[in-house]
Amino acid sequence: KNEVEQSPQNLTAQEGEFITINCSYSVGISALHWLQQHPGGGIVSLFMLSSGKKKHGRLIATINIQEKHSSLHITASHPRDSAVYICAVFPNTGNQFYFGTGTSLTVIP
Amino acid sequence: NAGVMQNPRHLVRRRGQEARLRCSPMKGHSHVYWYRQLPEEGLKFMVYLQKENIIDESGMPKERFSAEFPKEGPSILRIQQVVRGDSAAYFCASSPQNADTQYFGPGTRLTVL
Repeated sequence: KNEVEQSPQNLTAQEGEFITINCSYSVGISALHWLQQHPGGGIVSLFMLSSGKKKHGRLIATINIQEKHSSLHITASHPRDSAVYICAVFPNTGNQFYFGTGTSLTVIP
Repeated sequence: NAGVMQNPRHLVRRRGQEARLRCSPMKGHSHVYWYRQLPEEGLKFMVYLQKENIIDESGMPKERFSAEFPKEGPSILRIQQVVRGDSAAYFCASSPQNADTQYFGPGTRLTVL
């Protein structure tokens, strides 16, 4: 059983499209991160959320603590957004993150 | 303030050799976490260390793997007698105090021939 489920697993979009990636989790958490990983590259934390909504440029992340659900939105997608996006949750108890398996996004020019 | 540093970035070993992966946390961070990302799989927690102490090693294989974070110097993840199944990307993250805020390093990609 995976504590974190992401959907979709793979996503292909045309440049300019609005993109949504979803994350559901089953444990009580103190924080949720959205991470970005380019092929062969390192991991960058895009957002850390504990409630509400955050925006950074074309990226928006929301979280609903009661429903144990978070979404990552990309507006006006661009080929450079092509990457794997990973949802990670930090439970209220414990010392470790639980990770989703990632959503592989490809944005076609 | 330099970010989390890992070296080497790429490491090739033959079966049976030892692999040593280093992680230098961000300045002022005393908590280090190691994660493994197997090919086509998600990230998995391995071990959480504070200076000179292992806090949680519940994700670390019981044999061949060890980790340390000495008082001086980087954290080391050591894999003895590597096998092909150890081929993966190993990521280190560090945090100041709150474990839910972690900064990731660029990773070390280990290939076992």
